[in-house]
Amino acid sequence: DAGVIQSPRHEVTEMGQEVTLRCKPISGHDYLFWYRQTMMRGLELLIYFNNNVPIDDSGMPEDRFSAKMPNASFSTLKIQPSEPRDSAVYFCASSFRSNSNQPQHFGDGTRLSIL
Amino acid sequence: KNQVEQSPQSLIILEGKNCTLQCNYTVSPFSNLRWYKQDTGRGPVSLTIMTFSENTKSNGRYTATLDADTKQSSLHITASQLSDSASYICVVSAYGNNDMRFGAGTRLTVKP
Repeated sequence: DAGVIQSPRHEVTEMGQEVTLRCKPISGHDYLFWYRQTMMRGLELLIYFNNNVPIDDSGMPEDRFSAKMPNASFSTLKIQPSEPRDSAVYFCASSFRSNSNQPQHFGDGTRLSIL
Repeated sequence: KNQVEQSPQSLIILEGKNCTLQCNYTVSPFSNLRWYKQDTGRGPVSLTIMTFSENTKSNGRYTATLDADTKQSSLHITASQLSDSASYICVVSAYGNNDMRFGAGTRLTVKP
């Protein structure tokens, strides 16, 4: 039973470069979430989609961050240009039907290091 | 400001012992409270979800309680195992929107 799949697992790049993180949600789930986790700030919700439509992007830190969900089985989170302070673990999660009382299933994250 | 506070920040216990983790919140209006377990290098895994009307929910050796009046929740782990070593994160959602507030987590270490 495939869970949420994220790629790459690790990414190291130099500041100024474009970074693209990818996520495949669990089939049939209609909510998709992007999170960022750091030691200092813990888990933060960046943006979430319902039926491929962005619903709330108020957690996106700045215009350098963008997210898309072109279809029900794929989403990307892009950072352009990247900065050292973007270094974190980025998680994607998906859930079924109503977000409120359904568990979110997380991928294992992408560990991003910006040099 | 809606906040979630967890205590203790870290905890070390011996294998086989019980422990209780705390979560206090000020999120309002309350919708639900979730406990997640996060192993090192992995994504969080849902343990329990409780709504306003639920005051206890169990998942194996994990039992979560909720007091919506005092805005407190606890996660009790019975007969701890080495595999329980992880971070435990409390997440509270507000009703009517998908505003989720995350606690900083409790780092539990179970020693043999």
